[in-house]
Amino acid sequence: QVPLVESGGGVVQPGESLTLSCAASGFLFRTYGMHWVRQAPGKGLEWVTYIGYDGSDKYRDSVKGRFIISRDDSTDTLYLEMNSLRIEDTAVYFCARNMEIGRMDYHYMDVWGKGTTVTVSS
Amino acid sequence: EIVLTQSPATLSLSPGDRATLSCRASQSVTTYLAWYQQRPGQAPRLLIYDASNRATGIPARFSGSGSGTDFTLTISSLEPEDFTVYFCQQRANWPRTFGQGTKVEVK
Repeated sequence: QVPLVESGGGVVQPGESLTLSCAASGFLFRTYGMHWVRQAPGKGLEWVTYIGYDGSDKYRDSVKGRFIISRDDSTDTLYLEMNSLRIEDTAVYFCARNMEIGRMDYHYMDVWGKGTTVTVSS
Repeated sequence: EIVLTQSPATLSLSPGDRATLSCRASQSVTTYLAWYQQRPGQAPRLLIYDASNRATGIPARFSGSGSGTDFTLTISSLEPEDFTVYFCQQRANWPRTFGQGTKVEVK
């Protein structure tokens, strides 16, 4: 059983919207914070956004006001709603579990999905 | 934003060699730094957290050290599967940031 499976990627034009999903299994999803991290083709990793188990959220500046992270604990699913997409948003998007030890949040990513590809092109 | 600078960009070594990778932060992150390994076409894997703690299941040949702004990932004796890319990441400040990566390649 794969713990995290992303879906929803695709090819869109600049200015369009897309919503990514990440289905979690094998752990108590509702007790973990979750991250989205992206990787542009041939580039390094870039943290995008985080949602806590309590729904609190953080975003990098370049996506603030355009992307919305959310979660549905009844279905163990994480979402990333991406609006006003730009060419520079083209990347593989990974969802990742926030590392916890005891009840401490460590804000590292200890379980990762395989990623879903978003291509923004005119 | 804290900038993490990794060096060298590429490290050319042979199996059995010792690898030393560096990550320098633009300001102190105390010990709030992790290392990840990423093989081609795969998701990253957490190796080291809080500068020097091995994550679950990580072999003892991987070790981390450092504090403040200077950190090191050491692979004591390279196995064939270790020839890939490594990233550092800080959790001291928002936004969380990653280094640009060091590629360990076969000499």
